[in-house]
This record gives sequence, structure tokens and C-alpha cells, in this order.
Amino acid sequence: DIVMTQSPDSLAVSLGERATINCKSSQSVLSSSNNKNYLAWYQQKPGQPPKLLIYWASTRESGVPDRFSGSGSGTDFSLTISSLQAEDVAVYYCQQYYSTLRTFGQGTTVDIK
Amino acid sequence: QMQLVESGGGVAQPGTSLRLSCAASGFIFSSYPMHWVRQAPGKGLEWVAVTSYDATNKYYADSVKGRFTISRDNSKNTLYLQMNSLGPEDTAVYYCVRSDCSGANCFDYWGQGTRVTVSS
Repeated sequence: DIVMTQSPDSLAVSLGERATINCKSSQSVLSSSNNKNYLAWYQQKPGQPPKLLIYWASTRESGVPDRFSGSGSGTDFSLTISSLQAEDVAVYYCQQYYSTLRTFGQGTTVDIK
Repeated sequence: QMQLVESGGGVAQPGTSLRLSCAASGFIFSSYPMHWVRQAPGKGLEWVAVTSYDATNKYYADSVKGRFTISRDNSKNTLYLQMNSLGPEDTAVYYCVRSDCSGANCFDYWGQGTRVTVSS
């Protein structure tokens, strides 16, 4: 199975500041056939199901604010919130969908400093 | 409007069985692969199983292989998860999830989840 490891486990950022979450996969999730990275990011708020933010590592889902951006390729990826808002307090998960056996990172909790 | 509504959760004794259901509406259910994902209390997300759009291919996480069976009835727009030989480690909220993302096959729609508690 592809193991996904996120860092840090938690971070606290001041309102309006940048937050960056890292995600590393145990093997490349870049497909040579289409040159796409099979990596998604989800946001989960307390008591709610996860919500898709980013797929193909950097494609923002419709309706997701443009302060959320994804980057990276191969085995190393990042999710950046350019200017943290109060409503962004949540747990964020990366996920690979390169393998049929999908796997998630352990999650990163983002809070307000 | 797209909806995924899970049901069938509850309290089960160790070693017993439960069957979860997920009623889908607002999209052509028979066209999409469907997954179950679970989340133990206070823990992260764990992918459980997937069925192809036509149920010809099914895959499972090692943690549930041989105990859980995913199935679907496209005539009823319903996804199922038969869970046998339940143990305390299966205690979680179980989410029904569609994979599409405009063809990317990531998880674009999630149900609200149904809670399963395995306890004596």
C-alpha cells in the first residue's frame, strides 16, 4: 500500500497569515501515461464529512476559495492557505488515488493562533 | 441535488454482523464507482472498500478483507456494506462516497455517515 505522511500534525496560524501543510507519499503518484499526480486534499470540520478541496494535486474543486492552492509532484506535495480565515479551522487530509487501494494521510489540524 | 444517505448503523456485539446501506439520488448512480470510508472516534480517515460502477470489480482494505462485502443494486440506486465478524476496531462512522472529480476518480461527494459501535 502507498503510505501517505503529513507534516506537521497540527499548526496554529494567525488570521490572515499563510498556512502550509506537507504530504509525502511512499512511492510516486505521478502517472507517466498522462503526467498527472493522483493526489487530492480534503477539509473536514467537526461533525461534518470531509469536503474535496483539490485534485490532480493542484486543481481546485468548483466553489473552493482561491486562497487554497496545491502544489508538488511525484512524492512531495503541499496545500497552502494563503490568508487564513476563521472558517478554515479544520483537519486537512491528503489522499492518493493512484492505487485502487486508496490511502489517506493522518491529517493535519489547523487552528488560529 | 446530489445526495448520499447512509443507514443501518448502530450498536453491535463483537462477532456479530451489520449491513449498512447508502441511498443515492441526484445523479446517475450506475455510472460511478462507489466507496466506503470510515473514521474511528477521534481518528483519521480509513478507506474501506470500492465497487466499480457495474459491480464487476471490488477491492478491500486489508483490515476488512474476508469480513466485509461491498455490493450495489443499480436498480435501487443503493450501495451496501455487509460487515461480518465485527470487532471493537470496526467502531467508526462509515461514509458512503462517490468517486469522480470530473474523471479523476477522487472522492467528490460524501454522505453524512452512519455510526457503528461494536461493544459488548
